[in-house]
Amino acid sequence: GQQVMQIPQYQHVQEGEDFTTYCNSSTTLSNIQWYKQRPGGHPVFLIQLVKSGEVKKQKRLTFQFGEAKKNSSLHITATQTTDVGTYFCAGPRGSQGNLIFGKGTKLSVKP
Amino acid sequence: DGGITQSPKYLFRKEGQNVTLSCEQNLNHDAMYWYRQDPGQGLRLIYYSQIVNDFQKGDIAEGYSVSREKKESFPLTVTSAQKNPTAFYLCASSLGLQGTIYFGEGSWLTVV
Repeated sequence: GQQVMQIPQYQHVQEGEDFTTYCNSSTTLSNIQWYKQRPGGHPVFLIQLVKSGEVKKQKRLTFQFGEAKKNSSLHITATQTTDVGTYFCAGPRGSQGNLIFGKGTKLSVKP
Repeated sequence: DGGITQSPKYLFRKEGQNVTLSCEQNLNHDAMYWYRQDPGQGLRLIYYSQIVNDFQKGDIAEGYSVSREKKESFPLTVTSAQKNPTAFYLCASSLGLQGTIYFGEGSWLTVV
C-alpha cells in the first residue's frame, strides 16, 4: 500500500547547527503537510505545500515540495533549543483519502 | 475557546476491562480521527469518521470500537480484545479528510 517515509528517524545536533528531515512518498501527492510535536505534547500543524517545486519559509524553517510531488524536506537553519521535538510529514491517501503520516524525525538540540 | 477536548488525560485500566476515551470538538469539523502513538513510533490511525453515524477502520482497528452519534463527539472504546493497549491516544479533527488536522492534547492509557 501507499507509504510515507521519513529519514532520519533521530537527529542530534549542537545548538546553532542546521537540521534537515526528508519525507518520501511511494506515490505522487496532491499536497503535503508538516506537523511538529513537542516532547509531551500533541502534533501541531506547521504548513501545507501544494505546488510542484514549492518552497515556503517560516523564519528559520524552509519547506520544499519536490518537482515530482513525491518528496519533501524541512530544513532548519541555526537550530535552537526551542526546535526540539518530532517533525512529521503527512500526505493524502490516494486522491480522496485521509492523511498518511510518516513516522517522524525526532530532533534533539544540545545547548 | 475552540478546540478539541480529550478526557481523561491519564487512565489506568486492569487487564480484561473495557475503557472509553472521550473526544469532543467545537470546531464544526466534519472529520474526526483517533490515532495511537507508541514511544518512538509515528501516528497510527485507529478509526476515522467523515460524517455522523458513519466511520471507517484505520490501519490498527482491531480491539477498538468507536461511535459518531453527534458531530461534536467521537468516543473511542479500548476493548479487552486489544492485546497491548498501553499507549498515548490522540483524537483529532479536520474540516475534510485532506484538510489541516487539529489534535487534542491526548490521553495516556496504562494497563495495570
